[in-house]
Amino acid sequence: GAGVSQSPSNKVTEKGKDVELRCDPISGHTALYWYRQSLGQGLEFLIYFQGNSAPDKSGLPSDRFSAERTGGSVSTLTIQRTQQEDSAVYLCASSLQGDGYTFGSGTRLTVV
Amino acid sequence: AQSVTQLDSQVPVFEEAPVELRCNYSSSVSVYLFWYVQYPNQGLQLLLKYLSGSTLVESINGFEAEFNKSQTSFHLRKPSVHISDTAEYFCAVSGLTGGGNKLTFGTGTQLKVEL
Repeated sequence: GAGVSQSPSNKVTEKGKDVELRCDPISGHTALYWYRQSLGQGLEFLIYFQGNSAPDKSGLPSDRFSAERTGGSVSTLTIQRTQQEDSAVYLCASSLQGDGYTFGSGTRLTVV
Repeated sequence: AQSVTQLDSQVPVFEEAPVELRCNYSSSVSVYLFWYVQYPNQGLQLLLKYLSGSTLVESINGFEAEFNKSQTSFHLRKPSVHISDTAEYFCAVSGLTGGGNKLTFGTGTQLKVEL
């Protein structure tokens, strides 16, 4: 597609439920990032996929968080047993050669 | 490893005044540098970037940034701001690592333009 597409745009879930957030990067982009932005906070790096290399998972806050990227394209971020502190905007970005990153509009997650 | 420091969390400025948002970085490798802007309730948009060549880069809406290798800085400037420039601005650095070009952000600077 023309840009990075994220779905859903908004998600309200009950504490303890699992959620899946989806990211469709720009076609052909080999690098894909997930970031989290909490109210009044900066951008917190979560995970980074680059081509066929092993993903950099160093930013995932706990083992309740996981992400995969199928076929080098679509990525899914999964949060298990959601907690209220997981409430944030989850941003996805993609890049071809690291010379420019295009961000999606994000998924606003609210855990109630 | 690389890091980005944005010393000013908030910068208030009057309309039509000049502004400078500071950004310093550290990296052991050559870097690409970026400024992103986030308008209220919107996503991140690329404002400008330095990849190579001329150290002064400009955006379409009057912002400019200069890469200073000796001072490891990439400060963002605008000679005359407008109310519509009110937003949060993020400086970011991308450096070549073993796994590719990883992007690291600063903590952001909230620019508030007042009448």
